[in-house]
Amino acid sequence: DIQMTQSPSTLSASVGDRVTITCRASQSISTWLAWYQQKPGKAPKLLIYKASSLQSGVSSRFSGSGSGTEFTLTISSLRPDDFATYYCQRYNTSPWTFGQGTKVELK
Amino acid sequence: QVQLQESGPGLVKPSETLSLTCTVSGGFIGSYYWSWIRQPPGKGLEWIGYIFNSGSTNYSPSLEGRVSMSVDTSKNHFSLRLTSATAADTGVYYCARSNVLTAIDFWGQGTLVTVSS
Repeated sequence: DIQMTQSPSTLSASVGDRVTITCRASQSISTWLAWYQQKPGKAPKLLIYKASSLQSGVSSRFSGSGSGTEFTLTISSLRPDDFATYYCQRYNTSPWTFGQGTKVELK
Repeated sequence: QVQLQESGPGLVKPSETLSLTCTVSGGFIGSYYWSWIRQPPGKGLEWIGYIFNSGSTNYSPSLEGRVSMSVDTSKNHFSLRLTSATAADTGVYYCARSNVLTAIDFWGQGTLVTVSS
């Protein structure tokens, strides 16, 4: 199976910071990658699909890039509501594996 | 706006079968992949599998042999069965709508299932 590895596992940042999370696939997945945001006690929310397409209704402060095996999620200017855990997920072939998650916390 | 709601027992005994149903409202169950995802307490997300409205399925290899899914388009719901449950199956179970372009775009609120005697 193709493994998905996120880094860092935890990221400490301040409001207004530019934040970047990386997701690496153990084999090429083209651009079949999604990013989700999850807050405690809540279901995940789709932010980005197809590596760089912004889901409808999601703030343009979120952007995704990459292809093949390396991908990034960038939050251009962190807001209080953005402190959460972020997951990447590949969906090129089964199983649709998730990364282990990156927790963005207040510095 | 599509809404999904999980239902089923919150407590399952070890070795018994975990069964959940997801009811879809605000849209027809056709033409999408309907997924199950779970999250052990304090841990990350695990994809369980999906079922298409035709009944074709795709399951995680780690659960193959224990997992099955079904869909009832007349009731606009789909279901998950996980046999021989153990404590490792404890967690929040989410049902969700998926498609091959956007991955998982709508999620249920999740339901906690505890496997314990």
